[in-house]
Amino acid sequence: GAVVSQHPSRVICKSGTSVKIECRSLDFQATTMFWYRQFPKQSLMLMATSNEGSKATYEQGVEKDKFLINHASLTLSTLTVTSAHPEDSSFYICSGRASGTYYNEQFFGPGTRLTVL
Amino acid sequence: LAKTTQPISMDSYEGQEVNITCSHNNIATNDYITWYQQFPSQGPRFIIQGYKTKVTNEVASLFIPADRKSSTLSLPRVSLSDTAVYYCLVGADTGTASKLTFGTGTRLQVTL
Repeated sequence: GAVVSQHPSRVICKSGTSVKIECRSLDFQATTMFWYRQFPKQSLMLMATSNEGSKATYEQGVEKDKFLINHASLTLSTLTVTSAHPEDSSFYICSGRASGTYYNEQFFGPGTRLTVL
Repeated sequence: LAKTTQPISMDSYEGQEVNITCSHNNIATNDYITWYQQFPSQGPRFIIQGYKTKVTNEVASLFIPADRKSSTLSLPRVSLSDTAVYYCLVGADTGTASKLTFGTGTRLQVTL
């Protein structure tokens, strides 16, 4: 299957700082990328859908000014958590959608563990 | 997207066959049924997808009855490395904006 990478895999930051997470599709072009958040022992929650070259579409309850998403190319999307606070500590996962064999198939990155002190 | 209901957790011994059933009573005509696997601290991984009857690949089988209101993921002869959370999703392909909605998933614990 297609490969998606994320960087960094783990980040610890102080409250009030901003953190940028990169998501790259390594061997396919992802017209659409998705960002999810997952708290411990919980399911994945979709935060936003990102289409290359256009503004991201955020899910209800997700602050677009706090979680800045940029999808400047077909292989790179970034999520910036601005003015991070301890409640933003979570596991952030991105995925890319490519033309594949299966309907709605998404290829997920390995995730980024964010800890805000 | 049609809501899904799965058991919260299951336990199995290594070498046994595991069947995880998912209920999706409100599945629509255009919806497909997809299962993902997620290991701790990793992103989900696609396992199998089907529309009706039976689908089999190298890792699992998916059984879907005629009414499509449920589906069963079958894992043959599980090993310790199959310990993971398994998610059942249903939805139609509506183009680039198609979203996946993850339910609670089933946490499978395999022991010796």
